[in-house]
This record gives sequence, structure tokens and C-alpha cells, in this order.
Amino acid sequence: AQTVTQSQPEMSVQEAETVTLSCTYDTSESNYYLFWYKQPPSRQMILVIRQEAYKQQNATENRFSVNFQKAAKSFSLKISDSQLGDTAMYFCALGQGAQKLVFGQGTRLTINP
Amino acid sequence: NAGVTQTPKFQVLKTGQSMTLQCAQDMNHEYMSWYRQDPGMGLRLIHYSVGAGITDQGEVPNGYNVSRSTTEDFPLRLLSAAPSQTSVYFCASTEAFLRAGYGYTFGSGTRLTVV
Repeated sequence: AQTVTQSQPEMSVQEAETVTLSCTYDTSESNYYLFWYKQPPSRQMILVIRQEAYKQQNATENRFSVNFQKAAKSFSLKISDSQLGDTAMYFCALGQGAQKLVFGQGTRLTINP
Repeated sequence: NAGVTQTPKFQVLKTGQSMTLQCAQDMNHEYMSWYRQDPGMGLRLIHYSVGAGITDQGEVPNGYNVSRSTTEDFPLRLLSAAPSQTSVYFCASTEAFLRAGYGYTFGSGTRLTVV
């Protein structure tokens, strides 16, 4: 069975600081995708960044980057120069095939002014 | 606007009532899924479909029914609502992962309360 674990239920940082959200996963498959989704108070699920397991290079999207450690089954999200608008719930998700995503429990991130 | 449309956004049901949550996408995506979100548990898969006429169960299918008669629509039916089904429901769609690797596009969610 595939599992995703986010060990930090809540985090809080000051605006402009860098913050790293942790995610570990377990799968027996060799071909899969990893995602970070953001859920602001509006409830909308927004794709932040995705990583393909067969690519060794870590994905980057503007201020968001990941540290993908395939052997350790770790997939952390780094947010640089954090902004008030980054305040949200963040979910790590594992995708194998298109049938389903397996989500972690989420990390509630608060950016303080 | 292209995307996934869910209706209604909010709903209150009495125990034992039935209802259908609607989901439609206009991106010609093959794959569609329903998830429920509960505090501290992330999102869990209820049912999914890999194309018109094909559906299968996810992690928490009991009490729910789905059908997929067209590519665009994937309604979720609650057969006899129970308080345990109080949750936020999300519909999502995607192209085939192995072709595109996009990740799912989610609807805006339905907050359902069963009293």
C-alpha cells in the first residue's frame, strides 16, 4: 500500500523567511509522481509543484522548490521569501497511474507579518 | 472558463436523505475522481473513473455510488446520508499520468453537513 506522511501538523514563520515542509512516502513502484498542493482558506486545491520520480533534478517553480531524495523516500517543499499569501494548508501527494492520488495529512502554514 | 465545476457548494441533509453531487469538466480529461476531506486525514479517494462507462472503488467507497455516462460528467450519489458523511467533497480530473504528469485539477469543493 502507498502511504504519505507529513509529520508537521502546523508551522509558523515570519514574512520573508524561508520555510521547509517535510513529506515522506512509501511505495513499491519505480514510476510515480509527487505533488505539493496548496489549500488556502478559499478551500480551492492549487497545484504548487510536481516531481517525476525518474527525474533526478529537483523541481523548481519561482519561490517554491523541492528536495527529492528517492532512496530515502523523502519529498520536502522549500518556500523562499515567504509571503502572507502563502498562508494555507499544504498537502503532499503521491500519484501512481492516473487512478488516484494518496495524500498526506497536511501541514497548516502561517506566515506572520 | 475551463476547469472542474462542482455543484452545490454547500448542502445540509437530514440523516437518511439521498442526494447527488454534480461534477463536470470541460478539458476532455479521461480520468475523474471523488475525494473527501476530513480534518487531520488529508483527502481520501471515494471512487474514480478512467473513462466513460468505467468506474472503480477507492479507499472509502461505502455509502456512495457513481456512474460515468459521458467524458464530461461524474456525479457522486449519497444513497442514505449518515452523519459520518459530513465532510468536504472534491471532484478532480486529469489526463493520463504517464502521458502528461500534470496532476489533478480540482473543483472548488462541496461542504456537506448531515444532521
